[in-house]
Amino acid sequence: GAGVSQSPRYKVAKRGQDVALRCDPISGHVSLFWYQQALGQGPEFLTYFQNEAQLDKSGLPSDRFFAERPEGSVSTLKIQRTQQEDSAVYLCASSSDYEQYFGPGTRLTVT
Amino acid sequence: ELKVEQNPLFLSMQEGKNYTIYCNYSTTSDRLYWYRQDPGKSLESLFVLLSNGAVKQEGRLMASLDTKARLSTLHITAAVHDLSATYFCAVDIPPWSNDYKLSFGAGTTVTVRA
Repeated sequence: GAGVSQSPRYKVAKRGQDVALRCDPISGHVSLFWYQQALGQGPEFLTYFQNEAQLDKSGLPSDRFFAERPEGSVSTLKIQRTQQEDSAVYLCASSSDYEQYFGPGTRLTVT
Repeated sequence: ELKVEQNPLFLSMQEGKNYTIYCNYSTTSDRLYWYRQDPGKSLESLFVLLSNGAVKQEGRLMASLDTKARLSTLHITAAVHDLSATYFCAVDIPPWSNDYKLSFGAGTTVTVRA
């Protein structure tokens, strides 16, 4: 079956621009996670949804980061006024229990 | 703050030899995950270890979990070139919740040479 998909796969933004990253989870998966992976590092947790409810956003690095999942399926991670330090790969994962399945990621480069 | 530490961070392997990657974590957890990541690719699940003493094997890879020591090992038997990748371990934080968010180690970059 189809896995987790993310779009775009690559995004180049000028500093100060807003970006929106999309995640399509595996159909029927209740839980959805966003992680940020800086170059040469392990992924770091950003936020977690259970259906449409955002239950944990403790990892969002600033109020420029915003995530939503309005219908409990597709999720969007929005970054406002991008900064160079936002350059990273943004990974989405979904799960139906404890095991998470990761998407291919969106590589964001802020110039 | 939960810490997950892997060592070594870089591992140069010779084909045919055996190696071990270690993963230590700082808080009680009964769930530990191993992932593989190829350059420019996403994370591929290798093993999910759910209890103390759990051991899982797939091909040349074997993972084990000692929750009392807060230690997991990933053992590679007779390394081959296609095992070259970065390997991550991860732990649920907090382990007693249904949140399941993961805390990852920094990764071990493995290069297998002839």
